[in-house]
Formats: sequence, structure tokens, C-alpha cells
Amino acid sequence: SQTIHQWPATLVQPVGSPLSLECTVEGTSNPNLYWYRQAAGRGLQLLFYSIGIDQISSEVPQNLSASRPQDRQFILSSKKLLLSDSGFYLCAWKGGTWQRAFFGQGTRLTVV
Amino acid sequence: DQQVKQNSPSLSVQEGRISILNCDYTNSMFDYFLWYKKYPAEGPTFLISISSIKDKNEDGRFTVFLNKSAKHLSLHIVPSQPGDSAVYFCAASGLAGGYNKLIFGAGTRLAVHP
Repeated sequence: SQTIHQWPATLVQPVGSPLSLECTVEGTSNPNLYWYRQAAGRGLQLLFYSIGIDQISSEVPQNLSASRPQDRQFILSSKKLLLSDSGFYLCAWKGGTWQRAFFGQGTRLTVV
Repeated sequence: DQQVKQNSPSLSVQEGRISILNCDYTNSMFDYFLWYKKYPAEGPTFLISISSIKDKNEDGRFTVFLNKSAKHLSLHIVPSQPGDSAVYFCAASGLAGGYNKLIFGAGTRLAVHP
């Protein structure tokens, strides 16, 4: 069966520290992968999407980067976190339609 | 620039009554509108969708209505049950930049009380 794993669920990091959030998918190959972020009071904003290994597209300029070192692994990173990076981060996988997409449980990041 | 808006952050409804969750959008090029349900500590799960060429889609207790002229859609839950208590995200999909994007609203937290 197809599953998606995202961790950690919550994270508190000081300003200026690095970040690494990992998302892995099981039960499929060559998935389209997405990273979203929700800031307080706003919708889930698309940050990055990837259609294959080392193929990353960025939707908005920001302090974050994404990498896809393996087919079923998608990583969100930052070298130095800012207060404005706080939010809820969600990884998603779409193999066909959005009706059949899978979402991770999300990561609540608080930068202090 | 929020293309999908859910202006009510929360809604409280009595069990057995109707829950109506609203959503507005700005882009006429969206081809599908979807509703996702999210419980705490879980990822959103797909609930119901509607094509932009339809005005109504029904699935059991859930019905989604689309008013294209007003760029508005709503999700009706009848009758509401305590297990429906969750955050509901409205989303819209469409082609942009060569791939199929999904754009979410901010979510509405529904509480169904006995």
C-alpha cells in the first residue's frame, strides 16, 4: 500500500540554526512530491515541487531549499532559520489526481 | 495574494444540524475544487471534489455546491456528527507553469457538539 511519512511532528529551533525536514514515500515510484507551508491565518502555500530525482522547482523565493536525493525522499532544509520560517510544513505526494494525493502528518516548526 | 480564501476560521454546530463551510476563489482557470479533512496529528485526507463544469456534487452526507459567477463554493454536511469535528481545507487545482498545482485556503475548524 502507498504511504507517506514526514517527521518530526513538532520542532522548536533557535534563530540561525539549520533545519532538515524529511519526507519519504512508500509503495510507489517516481511520485510528484510537494512541500507546503502554512503561516498563521493563511492557506497552505506551495514552496517546492519535484517531478524526479534532483528535479526541484521553487514557487517562492525564501530562506529554504529542497532536495530529492532519492526517488522517494524529499528533504526541506535551511542553513539559518529566521523567525518568519515558523509555521506548519506539509509534504504531499500526487501520483495521479489530487483526489488520490497523500499528505504527511505535517511538522509544526517554531523558531525562537 | 490568496487565490483561495476561507474567511471563517471556525464553526460550531449542534449534532444533527447542517454544517455549511464556505470558500471563495479568484482564479477562473481552476478546473477542480476539492475539500480535505484534517484531524490533529494526521495529514489532510480527500473528502469530496467538484469539477468546474458542474454546480453540485453529492456523496452521502456531504454535498459541494459551486457558483462560478460568484467564484464561491460551499460544503454542506447533513446531518452533522461529532466525528465530523476537524479542520476542513478548501483547495483548487489547475495547470500553471506546466504542472498541476493545488492551492489551499487557510482552513475552517468545525466543532460538532452534542
